[in-house]
Amino acid sequence: AQSVTQLDSQVPVFEEAPVELRCNYSSSVSVYLFWYVQYPNQGLQLLLKYLSGSTLVKGINGFEAEFNKSQTSFHLRKPSVHISDTAEYFCAVMNTGFQKLVFGTGTRLLVSP
Amino acid sequence: GAVVSQHPSRVICKSGTSVKIECRSLDFQATTMFWYRQFPKQSLMLMATSNEGSKATYEQGVEKDKFLINHASLTLSTLTVTSAHPEDSSFYICSAREALQETQYFGPGTRLLVL
Repeated sequence: AQSVTQLDSQVPVFEEAPVELRCNYSSSVSVYLFWYVQYPNQGLQLLLKYLSGSTLVKGINGFEAEFNKSQTSFHLRKPSVHISDTAEYFCAVMNTGFQKLVFGTGTRLLVSP
Repeated sequence: GAVVSQHPSRVICKSGTSVKIECRSLDFQATTMFWYRQFPKQSLMLMATSNEGSKATYEQGVEKDKFLINHASLTLSTLTVTSAHPEDSSFYICSAREALQETQYFGPGTRLLVL
């Protein structure tokens, strides 16, 4: 079974500052990794995903994430955040057998002027 | 591409009535659809997985007779909350995935309020 840990429930940051949202996972088999963003009262939008290949993955809205197998991490980063990035961010893992997505508890990113 | 819609976006019903929520993949064929429930300020809880033409597989603790799922076509799945009670009030989100693809695409969610 897989599990995902997002240690930070909330991350406050000023506009134009860099941000990193942490995600660690646990799995005994190979996995695919995803980051989703959820704006208030909306569904989830895929930000980026790691399936294989380059460990640095670039996504939409200027976000990127790096897969680190030795540290079992998949941290999300953005060099300069905007007010509009305020949202809930979910890290998720799925084994390569195409079974269900397992979500972390989410990190609320709060961007202030 | 990869758009998933849900209808209705919001529904209010009386206790004891049944409510049907539709989930549609608009531009791809969804061989697998998933239904999630999300409580305020919490993560998504998977309720069930449905494959087109097959019975849904429910997660432990989810009552299959209360949450009826139908996936009769490659673009439509429905979730019916039968005999709804106030404790069923929640945000229900569906997702869809193509055959042999890794990514799930999510609908915008349905807010259910049972009075």
